[in-house]
Amino acid sequence: KAGVTQTPRYLIKTRGQQVTLSCSPISGHRSVSWYQQTPGQGLQFLFEYFSETQRNKGNFPGRFSGRQFSNSRSEMNVSTLELGDSALYLCASSQGTANTEAFFGQGTRLTVV
Amino acid sequence: DAKTTQPPSMDCAEGRAANLPCNHSTISGNEYVYWYRQIHSQGPQYIIHGLKNNETNEMASLIITEDRKSSTLILPHATLRDTAVYYCIVRVAYNNNDMRFGAGTRLTVKP
Repeated sequence: KAGVTQTPRYLIKTRGQQVTLSCSPISGHRSVSWYQQTPGQGLQFLFEYFSETQRNKGNFPGRFSGRQFSNSRSEMNVSTLELGDSALYLCASSQGTANTEAFFGQGTRLTVV
Repeated sequence: DAKTTQPPSMDCAEGRAANLPCNHSTISGNEYVYWYRQIHSQGPQYIIHGLKNNETNEMASLIITEDRKSSTLILPHATLRDTAVYYCIVRVAYNNNDMRFGAGTRLTVKP
């Protein structure tokens, strides 16, 4: 079955703009989480959505937001982009129940200039 | 926020077993140990997880000490394609996708 699909794979935006990234989870998975990866900070948890509700949230400013649709697809939005938002954004999907693994997509490489 | 400590780097000869240690001395009773790896900034790949018993799958074995304060990931016959950053994560069972990654161990498999 198909894996986790993230679009677009690469994106270049200008400081001050906003951006929307998309994640399609594995069929049947109800949980989608988002992570930011930078060379300096490593992999950091942004937030998790389960059945269209945000279940957990990491320590990121309000400029970072997300949502999940009824088909479990998820989007994350970053407003007022800063140079420091340049990163690899990864999403992970899982069944959302105890003792199950999460599967990651290939990520979206965002560059803010 | 990571609750684990791993050596920053390790080398292993091709064909030999790679043993990657992880300390998680503050682990709670309901927290699982998960291992992922990441190759060339691709998305992390799930390897294995366990609670208190040793686990084995087609990729690796996970040995968790009796006090659960440390664990070892074993790749039985390392290949060049196993060169990657390996992450050990402590994750609460119900808090499913909130994984706090540390810096991981960069494993280099050498011919």
